[in-house]
Amino acid sequence: DTGVSQNPRHKITKRGQNVTFRCDPISEHNRLYWYRQTLGQGPEFLTYFQNEAQLEKSRLLSDRFSAERPKGSFSTLEIQRTEQGDSAMYLCASSHWGGGTEAFFGQGTRLTVV
Amino acid sequence: AQSVTQPDIHITVSEGASLELRCNYSYGATPYLFWYVQSPGQGLQLLLKYFSGDTLVQGIKGFEAEFKRSQSSFNLRKPSVHWSDAAEYFCAVGAWEGGGNKLTFGTGTQLKVEL
Repeated sequence: DTGVSQNPRHKITKRGQNVTFRCDPISEHNRLYWYRQTLGQGPEFLTYFQNEAQLEKSRLLSDRFSAERPKGSFSTLEIQRTEQGDSAMYLCASSHWGGGTEAFFGQGTRLTVV
Repeated sequence: AQSVTQPDIHITVSEGASLELRCNYSYGATPYLFWYVQSPGQGLQLLLKYFSGDTLVQGIKGFEAEFKRSQSSFNLRKPSVHWSDAAEYFCAVGAWEGGGNKLTFGTGTQLKVEL
């Protein structure tokens, strides 16, 4: 088990461009979570999946953001028409379903919008 | 809605000294509580967790935390700090409906260790 893997680790993009991040969870984890962390802050919940179903989206997730988890395995997070305020670390986590289970985090993708 | 307060933004301790990082939470039911550590540019590593049972929980790297329901607190402690403990520490509360892992984090406490 190699843990949660996120790619790319760093992304620099120009304002207005679209970007896509990928998260590969720990195999057989049916829950997958996306968080966003800005400088000096704790991570903020964005959305989560149980298998392929997206069960909840935070109000932080504007219409420019979309997340998918086809086939309940890896997930992608796309940001369209990026803005400077989107600059942040995007963290992915996975877990088994159910209370009493812990989430394992990836190392994150740092996005810089210039 | 749940929330977490970490009142200390920065803490500096000498190597070998004891450490306590404060965490207060707000949640309408029995909480799932976590402490995570983050090194610069890295993801989060779980130090310890509380779901139920014994209110004093032991974690990795010699850390422990005590759940006090009456004070809505979950403070992190270590009897003797090592220089490698310098990092940012986050307390988090988990919502039951998310399987305990839809987490709300505090703003973090940056720990500096003086040699």
